[in-house]
Amino acid sequence: GENVEQHPSTLSVQEGDSAVIKCTYSDSASNYFPWYKQELGKRPQLIIDIRSNVGEKKDQRIAVTLNKTAKHFSLHITETQPEDSAVYFCAASGLGGTYKYIFGTGTRLKVLA
Amino acid sequence: NAGVTQTPKFQVLKTGQSMTLQCAQDMNHNSMYWYRQDPGMGLRLIYYSASEGTTDKGEVPNGYNVSRLNKREFSLRLESAAPSQTSVYFCASSQNGEGYGYTFGSGTRLTVV
Repeated sequence: GENVEQHPSTLSVQEGDSAVIKCTYSDSASNYFPWYKQELGKRPQLIIDIRSNVGEKKDQRIAVTLNKTAKHFSLHITETQPEDSAVYFCAASGLGGTYKYIFGTGTRLKVLA
Repeated sequence: NAGVTQTPKFQVLKTGQSMTLQCAQDMNHNSMYWYRQDPGMGLRLIYYSASEGTTDKGEVPNGYNVSRLNKREFSLRLESAAPSQTSVYFCASSQNGEGYGYTFGSGTRLTVV
């Protein structure tokens, strides 16, 4: 069935360094890839997304890249800050490009001051 | 503008008891979803509703039922709670079509003893 794999499960970086989280998806028909940030005890919130007709998208310190051929996409956070510490989830649109998303298992990012 | 509102925030049930989790959105979204979040397993789709009057099973529907009462409200019912249903439940909504991220509710932490 449809699957989204996310790595690593935990990531620790020094403040100011960059962080990269990678996801792979199985359904070649997936065409929308959102990323969510979930702070402890809070709800997931959309931070950036990318559609399949775009290879890269940036928003200030965060960026997402997509390689459709390899079926993987990545989240890049530059100049990390303590408030970036959270769990990050990737997702891919489901079978046939529906609005039903399959989520990765999450990456716990710790930014060390 | 409240977004997505879930009630209750916390609940403890005894095995075999039933309860209904309520969800309402005020963004005029057509699609609504119920996810459960368990440690290390990310967000798994229980049921979704693409529009008023329709509901479909997700990845983990067993033990649950849903009702799309109207465009605003989407409830999740546990008929006979089991300890395996201890989890955090999130309701979400989105616009229809491809490429729209979810707005999540604040979650319900359910413990079944």
